[in-house]
Amino acid sequence: QQQVKQSPQSLIVQKGGISIINCAYENTAFDYFPWYQQFPGKGPALLIAIRPDVSEKKEGRFTISFNKSAKQFSLHIMDSQPGDSATYFCAASRWASGTYKYIFGTGTRLKVLA
Amino acid sequence: DSGVTQTPKHLITATGQRVTLRCSPRSGDLSVYWYQQSLDQGLQFLIHYYNGEERAKGNILERFSAQQFPDLHSELNLSSLELGDSALYFCASSVGQGRNEQYFGPGTRLTVT
Repeated sequence: QQQVKQSPQSLIVQKGGISIINCAYENTAFDYFPWYQQFPGKGPALLIAIRPDVSEKKEGRFTISFNKSAKQFSLHIMDSQPGDSATYFCAASRWASGTYKYIFGTGTRLKVLA
Repeated sequence: DSGVTQTPKHLITATGQRVTLRCSPRSGDLSVYWYQQSLDQGLQFLIHYYNGEERAKGNILERFSAQQFPDLHSELNLSSLELGDSALYFCASSVGQGRNEQYFGPGTRLTVT
């Protein structure tokens, strides 16, 4: 019930294309769903996040789509650029026992071809 | 730049040794979380401190310990190091109560030889 399943493991997209990464969770108590972007040798950077009271959130070229009934959420990167090449992690979070529990997906390595 | 700082950036040490990793949270953040990221692995939660108190433990080995000091910086102590402890260690900070967002530092790469 604590897992967050992320797919695909790796993704290759042409410049200008749409990158789509999917995550699924099991525990309906999660109430915060962030996406992190990590470049090699760097720490994960908070990219965009959503709460389950909305079905979509857009920030620039990045959009999160959230399907509460299916317990799934996805990251869409529009007009993908070579600079977007990085590893992307989804996560699910909830407050429990005095802490915000974060469960991370296993990551998607995105490569955008020039 | 997230505002979270970690030192050192790299650490190479031998098996059996003990090391200390340091983290300074963003200004105003009371919570510090420690994570381990092994090669091709996701982020594994180790431990959470809030305003100097331990709040939660994850998959932290007994050989590992942490503390958060009155100035809110935190240290992660790793002892009796094994080859398998080689990994990236990240800390993340957050405001704490009422806000989920966690901001990660640049990490410390530990290599145990």
